[in-house]
Amino acid sequence: GENVEQHPSTLSVQEGDSAVIKCTYSDSASNYFPWYKQELGKRPQLIIDIRSNVGEKKDQRIAVTLNKTAKHFSLHITETQPEDSAVYFCAASILEYGNKLVFGAGTILRVKS
Amino acid sequence: GAGVSQSPSNKVTEKGKDVELRCDPISGHTALYWYRQSLGQGLEFLIYFQGNSAPDKSGLPSDRFSAERTGGSVSTLTIQRTQQEDSAVYLCASSLAIASGSFYNEQFFGPGTRLTVL
Repeated sequence: GENVEQHPSTLSVQEGDSAVIKCTYSDSASNYFPWYKQELGKRPQLIIDIRSNVGEKKDQRIAVTLNKTAKHFSLHITETQPEDSAVYFCAASILEYGNKLVFGAGTILRVKS
Repeated sequence: GAGVSQSPSNKVTEKGKDVELRCDPISGHTALYWYRQSLGQGLEFLIYFQGNSAPDKSGLPSDRFSAERTGGSVSTLTIQRTQQEDSAVYLCASSLAIASGSFYNEQFFGPGTRLTVL
């Protein structure tokens, strides 16, 4: 089955700097890649997603890139702010097989002001 | 409108007891998912429903775990003879639809039920 690996496990950046989180997946049939943000004690919330027919997607300070050949995708956050501090999870799924999400282990992002 | 709700928010039980966890999805959402999040870990898929049927139960850890969904809405996850390793946060999510060409695949998560087995 699908396996998703996520790096780094923790990331500390200075406010205003960029942050990059990387994930690799194993199943070449995966075609949907969402990213979730989970603040302490709260539920995961979708921040951006990308499908396999697209190489890059951007939403304000957040962008995701996908390399299908290498089977990896990355989250880029620019101009980080203290409120970006949270745990970020990447995930992969096959939409035709019910869209069950296989998650990475998560990255704790700390933005220091 | 209202989001996904789950009850109870916290459940403490003794080893060997049965527990039931409830999920109320967003109204109109046909797909419903259960995940488990152990302390400091990522989310682990358990089961999903399309309507009232469960095409994929592959994530259920053992036959002590079962789930049902009635009326295409509320779902209950039951854990029989609980063990200490069952302690985790159980998260439910729902989405409007499942379709490769659909834009409505976003899964909305509930607040979770924190289960502690003593």
